[in-house]
Amino acid sequence: QSALTQPPSASGSPGQSITISCTGTSSDVGGYNYVSWYQQHPGKVPKLMIYGVSKRPSGVPDRFSGSKSGNTASLTVSGLQAEDEADYYCSSYAGSDNLIFGGGTKVTVL
Amino acid sequence: EVHLVESGGGLVQPGRSLRLSCAASGFTFDDYPMHWVRQAPGKGLEWVSHITWNSVNIGYADSVKGRFTISRDNAKNALYLQMSGLRAEDTALYYCARRARGDWSLEYWGQGTLVTVSS
Repeated sequence: QSALTQPPSASGSPGQSITISCTGTSSDVGGYNYVSWYQQHPGKVPKLMIYGVSKRPSGVPDRFSGSKSGNTASLTVSGLQAEDEADYYCSSYAGSDNLIFGGGTKVTVL
Repeated sequence: EVHLVESGGGLVQPGRSLRLSCAASGFTFDDYPMHWVRQAPGKGLEWVSHITWNSVNIGYADSVKGRFTISRDNAKNALYLQMSGLRAEDTALYYCARRARGDWSLEYWGQGTLVTVSS
């Protein structure tokens, strides 16, 4: 049960786009379409942003999008805004009733 | 409105036990699988355990397997985490979360309860 691999940090200027990767294996990310992404502001509870690889819950802006290719999932934030500055975590089902998270990526809006 | 309220955290000595509870309201509790997720101070999210609506399917992270036990009481709308053999590395904010049906995303989270393991 090794954590999924995310870059520790990402940054962009307002209006730009950034993409965060989440790399796993064929036993988790590559094996199931159950990749989710969470946003967590400092001192706050995680918020679900993407589920089922690319679906957005009601209320999440369409600036957030998800995709997957092989064992790597990605979260893209388009039209970056100041309030997007937060930590982002991916997760994936890993079989046998197990879930696994990525190490997290700190997004900075320059 | 969905509400998840964790309780039972506190300061505990290494090797001792503690039971966390999560009170659920605002939805039909026995329709949903539930999870425990923890976050050590200044660190990332770590999945701890999962239980299906009927307690038939249960999963644990390797780091807690054999020491933690997840359970639920659907009549009381409550989720539990019995923790034993606690270690310093179990120090974290423990969240309960509701899993989406038909998916493995965690759509609602409680505010968390802090567990500190220290002598």
